[in-house]
Amino acid sequence: GIQVEQSPPDLILQEGANSTLRCNFSDSVNNLQWFHQNPWGQLINLFYIPSGTKQNGRLSATTVATERYSLLYISSSQTTDSGVYFCAVQETSGSRLTFGEGTQLTVNP
Amino acid sequence: NAGVTQTPKFRVLKTGQSMTLLCAQDMNHEYMYWYRQDPGMGLRLIHYSVGEGTTAKGEVPDGYNVSRLKKQNFLLGLESAAPSQTSVYFCASSYSLGTGGNEQYFGPGTRLTVT
Repeated sequence: GIQVEQSPPDLILQEGANSTLRCNFSDSVNNLQWFHQNPWGQLINLFYIPSGTKQNGRLSATTVATERYSLLYISSSQTTDSGVYFCAVQETSGSRLTFGEGTQLTVNP
Repeated sequence: NAGVTQTPKFRVLKTGQSMTLLCAQDMNHEYMYWYRQDPGMGLRLIHYSVGEGTTAKGEVPDGYNVSRLKKQNFLLGLESAAPSQTSVYFCASSYSLGTGGNEQYFGPGTRLTVT
């Protein structure tokens, strides 16, 4: 099956800093989603981005499908950005999302 | 428009007991999914459904059964709970499997502990 690797596994920032999270995948995909799992366990949809670039406030994401990677940018980080960020992909021939192991982000005041 | 809802939010079972988790969606989605999340890991697919009356196995189906009698509901059953099934269970739904319609929307999760 498809492999999904996220980096870095852990990231600690001071409030106001910027960061880039990366997701590499091993096969062609027709779905790529970024999620934020907050400290209460809730899974929040950030982006549906099988290709191209999207922005939503301080967050933006870019997927380069031909090179099999996606990037999530967080600018001017806030303490409420803390939590785990997951990348999940669906193979073009598949029916399920395969999740990476996540990036644990801690933003300190 | 409530999206995807799950019942119950929390449950504690003893080994060998049975229970059913209910997932409901009001988006008229054809596809529904059950995932589990173990500590420190991403989600893994248990079973999924491609429409009313149809189900299929995912990555980790053993010990679970599912049913989709109505389009809006997807039930996950544990016939004889084991401590290894202690996990957080998420339900999701999507309109289709193809690009543009395959974004998955997730419910709030059910935290299950089996003692």
